[in-house]
Amino acid sequence: DAKTTQPNSMESNEEEPVHLPCNHSTISGTDYIHWYRQLPSQGPEYVIHGLTSNVNNRMASLAIAEDRKSSTLILHRATLRDAAVYYCILRDRSGYALNFGKGTSLLVTP
Amino acid sequence: GAVVSQHPSRVICKSGTSVKIECRSLDFQATTMFWYRQFPKQSLMLMATSNEGSKATYEQGVEKDKFLINHASLTLSTLTVTSAHPEDSSFYICSAKGQQQPQHFGDGTRLSIL
Repeated sequence: DAKTTQPNSMESNEEEPVHLPCNHSTISGTDYIHWYRQLPSQGPEYVIHGLTSNVNNRMASLAIAEDRKSSTLILHRATLRDAAVYYCILRDRSGYALNFGKGTSLLVTP
Repeated sequence: GAVVSQHPSRVICKSGTSVKIECRSLDFQATTMFWYRQFPKQSLMLMATSNEGSKATYEQGVEKDKFLINHASLTLSTLTVTSAHPEDSSFYICSAKGQQQPQHFGDGTRLSIL
């Protein structure tokens, strides 16, 4: 699976939107972009995934660049419960296990 | 939504003990289950992949005789840490994937070997 690059940490104010970037310049045409987050002492939680088009669900939005070399996870209104490590992971349709990088540690302040 | 249940959530035991961790998919059939390990302040590391009814595939450096994996049904996989030692202390996390499903994770088992 191709590699992703994320900032080590980001900080946001509560109730503000948060844009978490991910670079994946070596992405292949069959790689899906997955986002998971991990709260302290818990297993990862699925957030969203996409291939080419932007995606929205109740948790977040995923904006994918036209060349697919980068993507952004958007939390529309950050809450204190959104403080977690966010992982951007690529996986092609034939792959199975998700391989986790270091992710972005999001701090949300009141 | 899909739920993966992992049990127990915490184990503290003496060196030399064998510990079994269960992972269940509660509302979907998991054709594939995965076991990860996470040390403090590090990311998750894949240990093994198991398909129902088949032998698990272990990642390089993971001892198959040390970490026994059984995936006897489409809803249950177990990881047994045999003769555990302090260096096996870690956060063990299972995940499950079904048809047309994202990979879902359990809440992890914190294993502490004294």
